[in-house]
Amino acid sequence: AQRVTQPEKLLSVFKGAPVELKCNYSYSGSPELFWYVQYSRQRLQLLLRHISRESIKGFTADLNKGETSFHLKKPFAQEEDSAMYYCALSLTSGGSYIPTFGRGTSLIVHP
Amino acid sequence: GAVVSQHPSRVICKSGTSVKIECRSLDFQATTMFWYRQFPKQSLMLMATSNEGSKATYEQGVEKDKFLINHASLTLSTLTVTSAHPEDSSFYICSIRYGGFGEQFFGPGTRLTVL
Repeated sequence: AQRVTQPEKLLSVFKGAPVELKCNYSYSGSPELFWYVQYSRQRLQLLLRHISRESIKGFTADLNKGETSFHLKKPFAQEEDSAMYYCALSLTSGGSYIPTFGRGTSLIVHP
Repeated sequence: GAVVSQHPSRVICKSGTSVKIECRSLDFQATTMFWYRQFPKQSLMLMATSNEGSKATYEQGVEKDKFLINHASLTLSTLTVTSAHPEDSSFYICSIRYGGFGEQFFGPGTRLTVL
């Protein structure tokens, strides 16, 4: 079965410091990977998807198939980045779409 | 992206009563919707996949008689928590899959408190 691991429950940094939120997955095929973010009192929303290879709000994430990782990075954290971040994997099996989420990492950026 | 709404946003009920939560896709016809449960400071737990016009697919460990899902139209799925107990208190979130890359769009969630 597929699995997503976010080893850090909490990550605390100061404004301007680099940030890396770790995500490892287990799946033998080629998964679709995403990062979702949930700001305080807001709904979950998509931040990044690996297939787009995009940078959103200064965040990037590279899929490393060898290490089965999809870490989220930002070179200079901002206070407004404080939120809960979820790494997610989705795959299609037998015509069914199966989403799996990591437990989430709470990012706190101090002024 | 797609817009998903949920109603109510919060509900308080007595133990033993049933509660219905609605999830609407406002601008997209969703043949599939997902229901999650989120515990405080924890991850999302996928409860079930709601399929329009057919039975929902429940994840292991989720009681289908306890959590009734109905997806009668392409824009509405409902989750009914039957005979609710305090341990059912949680944050329930629905989502739809939208777009070619499989990303999900989420509703704002419903806070259920069972007294």
